[in-house]
Amino acid sequence: AQSVTQLGSHVSVSEGALVLLRCNYSSSVPPYLFWYVQYPNQGLQLLLKYTSAATLVKGINGFEAEFKKSETSFHLTKPSAHMSDAAEYFCAVSEAGGFKTIFGAGTRLFVKA
Amino acid sequence: DAGVIQSPRHEVTEMGQEVTLRCKPISGHNSLFWYRQTMMRGLELLIYFNNNVPIDDSGMPEDRFSAKMPNASFSTLKIQPSEPRDSAVYFCASSRGQGLNTEAFFGQGTRLTVV
Repeated sequence: AQSVTQLGSHVSVSEGALVLLRCNYSSSVPPYLFWYVQYPNQGLQLLLKYTSAATLVKGINGFEAEFKKSETSFHLTKPSAHMSDAAEYFCAVSEAGGFKTIFGAGTRLFVKA
Repeated sequence: DAGVIQSPRHEVTEMGQEVTLRCKPISGHNSLFWYRQTMMRGLELLIYFNNNVPIDDSGMPEDRFSAKMPNASFSTLKIQPSEPRDSAVYFCASSRGQGLNTEAFFGQGTRLTVV
C-alpha cells in the first residue's frame, strides 16, 4: 500500500534562506510523486511532479525536488525563500494503474522577514 | 478552461439541516474526488469516481454523507442531517485518469459551518 510521510508539520525560515521540506514515500511499485502548494483560502495546486524521466524535477516559483530511490525520499527545496512562499505544502504519491493520489499530512512553511 | 468549479464557496447552516455541495469538473477529466480538510484531521479523501461510477467510498464518514455523479460534468456531496462536527472545507478535484494522469486539479473549496 502507498503512503507518504512528511517530516515536520511546521517549518520556519528567514527570507532568503534555503527551504527544505521533507517527504518520504512507501510504494510497492515505482511511484509517481507530486508536490502541491495550498495558499490561504485556496485549493491545492501542483508545484511539480516526478515521472521517472529525471530524478531532479524543477517546478514553478523556483522550487525543485530530487527523487532518491535508495532513500525513498522526494524532498522539496528552494535556494532562497520569499515571503510569498508562505503556504502549506503537500507531498503526494500515486501508482501506475491507480486512480487516486495519496496525500501527506502537509507542512506549513513560515517565512520570516 | 475555467478549472474545477465548486458552489457555494461558503455555507452556514443549522444542525439537522440538509446540505448539498456541488462540483463541476474540468471537461475531459474522467476521475472526480471529494476531500474534506480540517485542522485536526488534515486532508481526507471521502470518495472518488471514475467515469461517473463510485470506485471507493471508504472515506465517507457516516451514512449521513452521500455523493452522486449523474453525468461527466456534475457531482454532488450531500450531508443529511448535518452536525457541527461536519464543519470543514470540502474540496472537489478532478484528474484525467490513472498513474501520471492522477495529477489532481482542485476547486476553490466550500467552507461549511454547521451551527
